[in-house]
Amino acid sequence: GAVVSQHPSWVICKSGTSVKIECRSLDFQATTMFWYRQFPKQSLMLMATSNEGSKATYEQGVEKDKFLINHASLTLSTLTVTSAHPEDSSFYICSARVYGTGLSSHEQYFGPGTRLTVT
Amino acid sequence: DAKTTQPPSMDCAEGRAANLPCNHSTISGNEYVYWYRQIHSQGPQYIIHGLKNNETNEMASLIITEDRKSSTLILPHATLRDTAVYYCIVRYGGATNKLIFGTGTLLAVQP
Repeated sequence: GAVVSQHPSWVICKSGTSVKIECRSLDFQATTMFWYRQFPKQSLMLMATSNEGSKATYEQGVEKDKFLINHASLTLSTLTVTSAHPEDSSFYICSARVYGTGLSSHEQYFGPGTRLTVT
Repeated sequence: DAKTTQPPSMDCAEGRAANLPCNHSTISGNEYVYWYRQIHSQGPQYIIHGLKNNETNEMASLIITEDRKSSTLILPHATLRDTAVYYCIVRYGGATNKLIFGTGTLLAVQP
């Protein structure tokens, strides 16, 4: 099956610093990538939808200036958490849709997640 | 997106069938039912999806009622490795194609 990787798998940073998380589709091209956040014992919350070569679309309540998303190619999207604070500590998961899939396709794959801890 | 309702938790004995219910009473005609699962501290894994007909693959079976207002995911022979949170998601096959996760069901397979 298709594989989505994330790097790093975990990161610890100091409050006020910025952290970049990479999401790569390893063996397929992804037209659209999604970024989710998950707090302990909670469900995944969609943060933004990212299309290759265009600006990301953020969900209501998600600060676009704090969570910078870049989708520069069909295999790479990055999420940068700027000026991170302890409340940004969370599990960040990306997901990628296969390029060219139709409306009924299930072809959306998830990365293993990145655990961010801000001290 | 239509919302789904799932029980928060269920237990199942190893080797027995696990039947996970989901209510989606406001589903519209062009919305699909998807099931994903998330094992602790990992990314979600696709299980199965369907529109109207029952579906089966190597992992599970999906039974959708005739009125499409509810569905059941069946794991025919549950193993300890099937312990996970199972999410039932209704998704419109439109341009956004967003998967919006609800609270899911924590399935605990007991030895």
